[in-house]
Amino acid sequence: DVKVTQSSRYLVKRTGEKVFLECVQDMDHENMFWYRQDPGLGLRLIYFSYDVKMKEKGDIPEGYSVSREKKERFSLILESASTNQTSMYLCASTLLPLTAANYGYTFGSGTRLTVV
Amino acid sequence: AQKVTQAQTEISVVEKEDVTLDCVYETRDTTYYLFWYKQPPSGELVFLIRRNSFDEQNEISGRYSWNFQKSTSSFNFTITASQVVDSAVYFCALSEGSGGSNYKLTFGKGTLLTVNP
Repeated sequence: DVKVTQSSRYLVKRTGEKVFLECVQDMDHENMFWYRQDPGLGLRLIYFSYDVKMKEKGDIPEGYSVSREKKERFSLILESASTNQTSMYLCASTLLPLTAANYGYTFGSGTRLTVV
Repeated sequence: AQKVTQAQTEISVVEKEDVTLDCVYETRDTTYYLFWYKQPPSGELVFLIRRNSFDEQNEISGRYSWNFQKSTSSFNFTITASQVVDSAVYFCALSEGSGGSNYKLTFGKGTLLTVNP
């Protein structure tokens, strides 16, 4: 089975801290994604990457950056954490193209970040 | 721009009732993929189904069935004889498949289903 591993399940950080959320996948997927999930808002795309060192902004990139130095690892960076970034963060990956054999996106278990 | 609408925010049913979760989507692509995911209280997103835009055949998997209608841009999900373990948030999602970097997944806001004993 494909695995997407997020380094922390729960994280508490202080306002103004630089925060790194790490995501690793073990199936050589090209595409990786970072979402945040908030009650009543569903999952919203922050950034995605379709290759090493390539990245594209999603729907809500403000306050975030990403890094993809290796194919298996996609990091989300909060340069200066703020309380409105308290949320559940979900990482996902997928193999291209989507085919009958490759059903789609695999998600990690999520990191619940609290900024105090 | 792609968009997914799940109009039902919360649904509450009694065990053994049938329940349908609605999903309406918008896209300009002719090739796209539709998904349903389940998120139980544990938080992990569980893949349920993927449907390609060129395949309108409906699908049944045990107590679950999906009705895909391109004419109304809908991809509805029905649970027959619901059980308490079906209680979860259910997300409908859309991915445009026209190649390049266009594989981002857009989610609806989710429907919280509560099945009471």
